[in-house]
Amino acid sequence: GAGVSQSPSNKVTEKGKDVELRCDPISGHTALYWYRQSLGQGLEFLIYFQGNSAPDKSGLPSDRFSAERTGGSVSTLTIQRTQQEDSAVYLCASSLIGQLNTEAFFGQGTRLTVV
Amino acid sequence: SQQGEEDPQALSIQEGENATMNCSYKTSINNLQWYRQNSGRGLVHLILIRSNEREKHSGRLRVTLDTSKKSSSLLITASRAADTASYFCATDEGGGSYIPTFGRGTSLIVHP
Repeated sequence: GAGVSQSPSNKVTEKGKDVELRCDPISGHTALYWYRQSLGQGLEFLIYFQGNSAPDKSGLPSDRFSAERTGGSVSTLTIQRTQQEDSAVYLCASSLIGQLNTEAFFGQGTRLTVV
Repeated sequence: SQQGEEDPQALSIQEGENATMNCSYKTSINNLQWYRQNSGRGLVHLILIRSNEREKHSGRLRVTLDTSKKSSSLLITASRAADTASYFCATDEGGGSYIPTFGRGTSLIVHP
């Protein structure tokens, strides 16, 4: 596609429910990143996929968070048993290669609200 | 922990003035990038500066990098109301780390 696509753009869920957030990166981009951003805050790194390597999960805040990337393309971030503190904008980005000397292209994010 | 921290947190100027934002980081880096974010959604890449570069220009943007002080600055000249946005620097942590780490950003408001 022309850019990074995330769905849904907005999600309201009840506390305790599971949610799945989807990211379609730019075709051919081997690196994929998930971040979350709370209101007025910076971007908090969650997880990084690079090609077929094992993902870097060091930023996941708890074991309720997991992510997968199928076929080196689409990625899904799953949050189980959502809590109110999970409310944030979840941003996905991809880059051509997983190095900082190439720019990252961001999707428009999924705004998650846990009520 | 956040590698990069922007300063000031908020900046309010009149159209036509210059805006300067700073970024400080903690560890050695390979490269540093500046991004812009409108309305709390996706970020747009503005400019990349490598660790062996000291200054870079792109249109009305000028970025400097001082690795001895572990700091960078973004200058927007002749600002416009459309420049109103949040601006973030992204750094890695040097070595083999390729994960861009972002600060909290500078919120810029340009009054028409």
